Amino acid sequence: AQSVTQLGSHVSVSEGALVLLRCNYSSSVPPYLFWYVQYPNQGLQLLLKYTTGATLVKGINGFEAEFKKSETSFHLTKPSAHMSDAAEYFCAVSDSSYKLIFGSGTRLLVRP
Amino acid sequence: DVKVTQSSRYLVKRTGEKVFLECVQDMDHENMFWYRQDPGLGLRLIYFSYDVKMKEKGDIPEGYSVSREKKERFSLILESASTNQTSMYLCASSYPQLYNEQFFGPGTRLTVL
Repeated sequence: AQSVTQLGSHVSVSEGALVLLRCNYSSSVPPYLFWYVQYPNQGLQLLLKYTTGATLVKGINGFEAEFKKSETSFHLTKPSAHMSDAAEYFCAVSDSSYKLIFGSGTRLLVRP
Repeated sequence: DVKVTQSSRYLVKRTGEKVFLECVQDMDHENMFWYRQDPGLGLRLIYFSYDVKMKEKGDIPEGYSVSREKKERFSLILESASTNQTSMYLCASSYPQLYNEQFFGPGTRLTVL
């Protein structure tokens, strides 16, 4: 069965610093992987997804993620954090029955 | 633009009441989903539907039921609300391919007193 682990329920960075949010997955089939963002009092919004092909995936708002099969990882990065990036981020893997398996989420805090 | 709407942003109900949460999508998606979101637990799937009148239990279906009479509408029903069902409820929809992302509504924050 698929599962997703997000290391760190809270990550705090300074404005302008690198953002790194970690995601590891387990899957018995080639995975489809997603990162979603949730701003306060809103639903989830897709940041980026990996299906096939290029392992470095670019998303909205300057985020990108790299699929590393050997490490079963799909970490999310952004070179320079902005105050508006403060939100909760969820990693997810698609299972064979169209459902998404979500990690427990990482709340990103951006310090001025 | 895909739009998923939920009938209420905030709802307060009493223990034992029957509660209906409505979700409507405008993209002709076959799949629709109901999740609950609790701090530290991420999103947990309650039910999903892959066609009109078709449904499947998710990870935490106990105490809930669903209805999908029309393709665009998916309802979540709490037969007899309890305080442990106080939570954020999120609806989502998608096309039926594994690589398709789900589109989410804004959520309903339900408080059961």
